[in-house]
Amino acid sequence: DTEVTQTPKHLVMGMTNKKSLKCEQHMGHRAMYWYKQKAKKPPELMFVYSYEKLSINESVPSRFSPECPNSSLLNLHLHALQPEDSALYLCASSQDRYFSGNTIYFGEGSWLTVV
Amino acid sequence: GEDVEQSLFLSVREGDSSVINCTYTDSSSTYLYWYKQEPGAGLQLLTYIFSNMDMKQDQRLTVLLNKKDKHLSLRIADTQTGDSAIYFCAESIDNQGGKLIFGQGTELSVKP
Repeated sequence: DTEVTQTPKHLVMGMTNKKSLKCEQHMGHRAMYWYKQKAKKPPELMFVYSYEKLSINESVPSRFSPECPNSSLLNLHLHALQPEDSALYLCASSQDRYFSGNTIYFGEGSWLTVV
Repeated sequence: GEDVEQSLFLSVREGDSSVINCTYTDSSSTYLYWYKQEPGAGLQLLTYIFSNMDMKQDQRLTVLLNKKDKHLSLRIADTQTGDSAIYFCAESIDNQGGKLIFGQGTELSVKP
């Protein structure tokens, strides 16, 4: 089973709203990732968690706030977003980011529209 | 620096073979990956190859790696309309702790 589950699949939010994206995996992976993807472009890395600690923040604006409550769950809290933040947000996981051959598995994504 | 390049579009007829090409610049790449993304969906890992291998075959998929030229290709035999998607090549660099460097993606269109 190589499943990464993301909810919700679609989210529409106003610029003053607070919402969260959720991600879950039960593969025992210890690395989890958030990527942002615009239409027909490659995914862009936002955050990496390794063993439930934030390991990489790719200079993401503070209106995006990640959280890793436990080794299976990853959240992305959203507040005061801008219309240009509308995109597909992909969660991913891998066994351990420091393993050679660290294969990264992606979820189906959450489509976010900011109005 | 790290850079991965792919051609943007490929169009083939159903039943033909498709070959999607990718070049990368970082010689410390350890693993190279092919992901498929269908419209409205996430990324599906298709296959990957370790940098000390030349070839990997998995059913209709054949991956060829020319490490000297830093060239990777994905061949899809007997291409079907369901293969229409965007295909991303990605490299994993050993000292980057799992960070993937993606190409721009090749949009494969399969015509009946």
